[in-house]
Amino acid sequence: KQEVTQIPAALSVPEGENLVLNCSFTDSAIYNLQWFRQDPGKGLTSLLLIQSSQREQTSGRLNASLDKSSGRSTLYIAASQPGDSATYLCAVGIQGAQKLVFGQGTRLTINP
Amino acid sequence: EAGVVQSPRYKIIEKKQPVAFWCNPISGHNTLYWYLQNLGQGPELLIRYENEEAVDDSQLPKDRFSAERLKGVDSTLKIQPAELGDSAVYLCASSPGTDPSYEQYFGPGTRLTVT
Repeated sequence: KQEVTQIPAALSVPEGENLVLNCSFTDSAIYNLQWFRQDPGKGLTSLLLIQSSQREQTSGRLNASLDKSSGRSTLYIAASQPGDSATYLCAVGIQGAQKLVFGQGTRLTINP
Repeated sequence: EAGVVQSPRYKIIEKKQPVAFWCNPISGHNTLYWYLQNLGQGPELLIRYENEEAVDDSQLPKDRFSAERLKGVDSTLKIQPAELGDSAVYLCASSPGTDPSYEQYFGPGTRLTVT
């Protein structure tokens, strides 16, 4: 059974810092990995999608990497801003099952 | 382009009462998902539809939960009777298909409180 773990569960940093959020998964048989953002009381917004054949994806100040062999992904946020405060979730797409398995999320707070 | 629409946004009911949630996916998206998100947890898949066919309902508690997508467009998720432990956020998502290159797009969710 695929298990996805995100560390840390919560993170608080001052504005302007670069930061890394971690995601690990137990089964490397995935077809993609997505990073989502969730604001309080809201749905999920997709940030980056990495296919299993890719190593990384970039969008603005965000960069996500994928290492299937080690079962790890990282989300790098450059020059953090208070507006980046949210919960960040990673999810892996399961081969053959066509579904996403989510981690518990990292609650990020950027202090002005 | 309109996103995934869900209603109601919030619902408070007493235990043992029935409740229904509605989802309208992005136009043209054949695949529709219902997820359950407990407080402080990531979403968990309840059911996946390909057009009007439920192709994965292995995680749906069938004794009290049911879902339908009669015309392969919008969908309804029902709970009858509701229990205290059903309090959670119910998320609907859609994608153009099941190809791995497709992203899933999520609606705002329905927050259910059972008292």
